[in-house]
Amino acid sequence: NAGVMQNPRHLVRRRGQEARLRCSPMKGHSHVYWYRQLPEEGLKFMVYLQKENIIDESGMPKERFSAEFPKEGPSILRIQQVVRGDSAAYFCASSPPFSGGDNEQFFGPGTRLTVL
Amino acid sequence: GENVGLHLPTLSVQEGDNSIINCAYSNSASDYFIWYKQESGKGPQFIIDIRSNMDKRQGQRVTVLLNKTVKHLSLQIAATQPGDSAVYFCAENSANSKLTFGKGITLSVRP
Repeated sequence: NAGVMQNPRHLVRRRGQEARLRCSPMKGHSHVYWYRQLPEEGLKFMVYLQKENIIDESGMPKERFSAEFPKEGPSILRIQQVVRGDSAAYFCASSPPFSGGDNEQFFGPGTRLTVL
Repeated sequence: GENVGLHLPTLSVQEGDNSIINCAYSNSASDYFIWYKQESGKGPQFIIDIRSNMDKRQGQRVTVLLNKTVKHLSLQIAATQPGDSAVYFCAENSANSKLTFGKGITLSVRP
């Protein structure tokens, strides 16, 4: 059973370009979360999605960032017109449908975005 | 605002000794806590969790203690090994499902 998969693992973009980060959750998991990690800091929540629905996007910047989790295919985190401050590691996590309140999230290996 | 934070940025221990990593949280509504281990270049790896109706939970070589009175969480690693060297994060989970992470502490194991 493959874990959470993310691609690409490393992404280099120039200022003003678009970055598209992909996440395939674990088999059977219907909940996807995106987090951002700056160097030597903890992970910061960005967005929580279920299939075709954004449940909580309170951690996502209002501009340039968007996320989706279509009925078919991976979840996509899209960053338009990237700036140097977007350079970070972006992690995706997934969890199964809730049962009993616990919410163990399984993380992917991350995508390291570098903006030149 | 609510936050989860760690007391120390780094911890150096001798191989074979026990390690204790501490974490403070301030959201009294949090009902689920998790410890993650992150090795360089990798994603966080689940270590152990605990619900707010418990004060102690044991795993293989690891124990998590929860003190709700002082909002304190700790991770104890028995017989620390070189492979335990990593950054450790505590995280809290409240009703809306998102995880709030602390800043992380680096555990360095001396051979």
